[in-house]
Amino acid sequence: NAGVTQTPKFRVLKTGQSMTLLCAQDMNHEYMYWYRQDPGMGLRLIHYSVGEGTTAKGEVPDGYNVSRLKKQNFLLGLESAAPSQTSVYFCASSYLEFAYNEQFFGPGTRLTVL
Amino acid sequence: GQQVMQIPQYQHVQEGEDFTTYCNSSTTLSNIQWYKQRPGGHPVFLIQLVKSGEVKKQKRLTFQFGEAKKNSSLHITATQTTDVGTYFCAAERAGKSTFGDGTTLTVKP
Repeated sequence: NAGVTQTPKFRVLKTGQSMTLLCAQDMNHEYMYWYRQDPGMGLRLIHYSVGEGTTAKGEVPDGYNVSRLKKQNFLLGLESAAPSQTSVYFCASSYLEFAYNEQFFGPGTRLTVL
Repeated sequence: GQQVMQIPQYQHVQEGEDFTTYCNSSTTLSNIQWYKQRPGGHPVFLIQLVKSGEVKKQKRLTFQFGEAKKNSSLHITATQTTDVGTYFCAAERAGKSTFGDGTTLTVKP
């Protein structure tokens, strides 16, 4: 039972390059989330999904796209990376039952955009 | 959207001292969650509070939810070096959580 895994762990991009971050969970959770965390700050929600085939915007969605083709996977794409997207990206998953929403986080992806 | 403010931003304590972090909102919250993130690690869920005035304990940690459901606190009694990290509160609503900026705790042995 691996929980939530993220690929890759580290990545360096040049401005304008594109990439996809992969998140996978093996807990059969309906909800999945992508957050970014900048130094000294909390987590800001980029996009989230309440089930397979659905996605929704969070607080800071600009410059990112997501897809949830399979229940266990949630992909985050950067079409044209910018230095402002340098951050640590966390994926999380949860099951929401009777308003109880414990989120399980992956280990994070550290992205640097030069 | 809902916002939660946490204070203090940093707290340095001597091992054995107590520690408290506060989470405040201008709006009434459905519930409040607390997470801990160790340096270089990922957030780990600690607890969720739902009821007005609720108090929950986990060993040396005491969590409170205000009567008006607009504030919450986390109190650690007799800190240990294993308590170091950043403590976040998060306001959950309809499956989405809005996180505070966290309180970073350092403990001097």
